[in-house]
Amino acid sequence: DSGVTQTPKHLITATGQRVTLRCSPRSGDLSVYWYQQSLDQGLQFLIQYYNGEERAKGNILERFSAQQFPDLHSELNLSSLELGDSALYFCASSPQSTVYSIYGYTFGSGTRLTVV
Amino acid sequence: QQQVKQSPQSLIVQKGGISIINCAYENTAFDYFPWYQQFPGKGPALLIAIRPDVSEKKEGRFTISFNKSAKQFSLHIMDSQPGDSATYFCAAIRGSTLGRLYFGRGTQLTVWP
Repeated sequence: DSGVTQTPKHLITATGQRVTLRCSPRSGDLSVYWYQQSLDQGLQFLIQYYNGEERAKGNILERFSAQQFPDLHSELNLSSLELGDSALYFCASSPQSTVYSIYGYTFGSGTRLTVV
Repeated sequence: QQQVKQSPQSLIVQKGGISIINCAYENTAFDYFPWYQQFPGKGPALLIAIRPDVSEKKEGRFTISFNKSAKQFSLHIMDSQPGDSATYFCAAIRGSTLGRLYFGRGTQLTVWP
């Protein structure tokens, strides 16, 4: 168990729908990152939050949004879903620190989203 | 575009052999280079990481070789075992603080017994 909890593990939904993926970071970690993993794009960074504030943005579609709450858990909202949004969505957390503490940058087991 | 390029896409090695995965990057702002291992149904897990002022780092059977002038780095898995069968990703981080990881496309390693 990595200590990063993602729910749900699997999600099947129809095109045009909206879903919310949830992530609870490791205890004490202030940063949360979201990544999308698909066969054609590989592992792509979506967005980072640090202590409730957006810190960095990557290849995140306008239909997607995220937030980090005061208890530090994070939610990734995906709306107007398309078939191409089917992927594994990973959350990671880390203490906000130097790269030399990268052993603390930990991934959850992911949410597999299938859009039908 | 892909900022970290990884090859090969797949690799089959016999038990006891050496597995070698190569990565290359262009952005000299990258300051740290970790390698991740991913099993089916799991998230990536850090194996080993290196900074660009070090040419080699070894942890157990895993070694990273780093060539700063060529902007290339590689993972060597010595005495490969069936349990090493997984997908391996090289990655890079820009700057000195933890942040976004730029991943290679991954190498699916199969070790035959």
